[in-house]
Amino acid sequence: DAGVIQSPRHEVTEMGQEVTLRCKPISGHNSLFWYRQTMMRGLELLIYFNNNVPIDDSGMPEDRFSAKMPNASFSTLKIQPSEPRDSAVYFCASSSPGRRGESPLHFGNGTRLTVT
Amino acid sequence: DQQVKQNSPSLSVQEGRISILNCDYTNSMFDYFLWYKKYPAEGPTFLISISSIKDKNEDGRFTVFLNKSAKHLSLHIVPSQPGDSAVYFCAPRGSGNTPLVFGKGTRLSVIA
Repeated sequence: DAGVIQSPRHEVTEMGQEVTLRCKPISGHNSLFWYRQTMMRGLELLIYFNNNVPIDDSGMPEDRFSAKMPNASFSTLKIQPSEPRDSAVYFCASSSPGRRGESPLHFGNGTRLTVT
Repeated sequence: DQQVKQNSPSLSVQEGRISILNCDYTNSMFDYFLWYKKYPAEGPTFLISISSIKDKNEDGRFTVFLNKSAKHLSLHIVPSQPGDSAVYFCAPRGSGNTPLVFGKGTRLSVIA
């Protein structure tokens, strides 16, 4: 099992540029989650999908952020235009269908984004 | 408004002794409580969980205790080992396949 795969591991870009983060969930998992980690706010949920459908995007900071899941094996998180305050580690996680929430989320190793 | 609070940012314990990490929450709708461990430059990894209908769950050196009336849970690690040094997150969720709500974490250092 390859686990959740995120790319790139590191991204450095200039303010105003478009950034696309990618995630491949574990095969067979039907839920996908995007989290962001910062020193100030810790790990916060941005958006999550069930069966490729966005369920809750209330954590997306503003319209500059968008996420898609075109199929069960791929998701993207896009920031356009990027700003220095978007600098953070972005994690993708997936989970399998489970009874009563007992299925843990499996996290990728994250993408460290730096916007200068 | 933090739903999950881990009030100790750091904890230092001697190897072989017990480590106790605490977590308080405010949302009575949480149904499952998970603990994650995180090493630098890696994603969080699942450690142990407990259902809201239980008050204790044990897995090897790790035990989680839940006190629903106090909205408090704790993770006990005994005996602590240097490899346990990491950041530990308390992460409850509602029922079904819903997102986890993370605390800010506690950095555990186990000293040899």
